[in-house]
Amino acid sequence: QSGLTQPPSASGTPGQKVTISCSGSSSNIGSNFVYWYQQFPGTAPRVLIYRNNQRPSGVPDRFSGSKSGTSASLAISGLRSEDEADYHCAAWDDTLSGWLFGRGTKLTVL
Amino acid sequence: EVHLAESGGGLVQPGGSLRLSCAASGFTFSTYDMNWVRQAPGKGLEWLSHISDIGTTIYYANSIKGRFTISRDNAKSSLYLQMNSLRVDDTAVYYCARGALVPGAIRPNWFDSWGQGTLVTVSS
Repeated sequence: QSGLTQPPSASGTPGQKVTISCSGSSSNIGSNFVYWYQQFPGTAPRVLIYRNNQRPSGVPDRFSGSKSGTSASLAISGLRSEDEADYHCAAWDDTLSGWLFGRGTKLTVL
Repeated sequence: EVHLAESGGGLVQPGGSLRLSCAASGFTFSTYDMNWVRQAPGKGLEWLSHISDIGTTIYYANSIKGRFTISRDNAKSSLYLQMNSLRVDDTAVYYCARGALVPGAIRPNWFDSWGQGTLVTVSS
């Protein structure tokens, strides 16, 4: 199992809505929660979305998560320059008994 | 305030060993599951290992199984990763990450706090 599938890059202009996809299988996304982490260059990741669509305190409601079947997505509305970062999806895999990450999506705000 | 501080990284030759440590503070360490996650230069995140709060349940990624060993000392609020038979492709920043505390959860939970990471470089 090589991991979850994310697009390597995404972009948008300020104010736009951007969606990042994450695809898996029945043993991970299909049967477990999906998580999204945000990471700025040179810093540690931080959780952005937990349990598919929950936001930790301090995360703006411009960020939202959803899941359907074996796929999930992260939506960022009202795009801002400070949203430029890498976004990683993750899910527990029951077959591997371990966490899988996507390879990360680099978001560019044009 | 939760604080996780990794140490022990550095330059090591292929086939060598290193022991990483993660010092935890600001929370009751013994009640939380802990994990190691790494990130190779310019690459995505890779989960390596999980250890439950009292160390009774341990999981490893296939890529490090048999070479790396996770452990913890709750009396010292510390997490460890013993890395043996290191390879060039083990070069990465290694993070310790705390598992979120969710009563009654039947699977490991997400990583709600991360350290700043320690760089391991495997090269001759």
